[in-house]
Amino acid sequence: ETGVTQSPTHLIKTRGQQVTLRCSSQSGHNTVSWYQQALGQGPQFIFQYYREEENGRGNFPPRFSGLQFPNYSSELNVNALELDDSALYLCASSLLDSPFLGYTFGSGTRLTVV
Amino acid sequence: KQEVTQIPAALSVPEGENLVLNCSFTDSAIYNLQWFRQDPGKGLTSLLLIQSSQREQTSGRLNASLDKSSGRSTLYIAASQPGDSATYLCAVRSGANNLFFGTGTRLTVIP
Repeated sequence: ETGVTQSPTHLIKTRGQQVTLRCSSQSGHNTVSWYQQALGQGPQFIFQYYREEENGRGNFPPRFSGLQFPNYSSELNVNALELDDSALYLCASSLLDSPFLGYTFGSGTRLTVV
Repeated sequence: KQEVTQIPAALSVPEGENLVLNCSFTDSAIYNLQWFRQDPGKGLTSLLLIQSSQREQTSGRLNASLDKSSGRSTLYIAASQPGDSATYLCAVRSGANNLFFGTGTRLTVIP
């Protein structure tokens, strides 16, 4: 059973640029969620994808968008990067149909916007 | 909206001591509560998952309790070791199908 993998592990972008982060879900999971964790804070929910559709969204602007693919992997895209977007981005997979099961998280992508 | 609070924000203990981390949440309509460990700059490692119908879960030196009616959970760590030094996060899974996190407790175990 493979876990959740994220790529890249680190990247540096310039304000105004666009970035794409990638996530492969754990085998057997059909739902992917993305979280943003600023330094010293708990993770904040960005959005969730199920069956290739957005299935819930937190308080993030539309320049944060995502995709889910038929193999349940996912991308997070952020346009027009701002300095405050610097954070650890975490991907988590789960089974939407089984809310009593837990979430499995990846190791995260550290994004620095300069 | 679900709000999760963790107390204390930071804790420093000598090696071998038993300790308790606290988590409280405002909405008792949860599916489960999950405790995670996070090392600096790293992802989240799941420690314990406790269902809303359960009172406690144990894994090795870790024991998590849940009192859903009062909106509280505790994580008990027995015989702490320097390797336990990390940030511990609790998260509740509510009906909105996402996790609500606390801000964590940063634990330092002094050799």
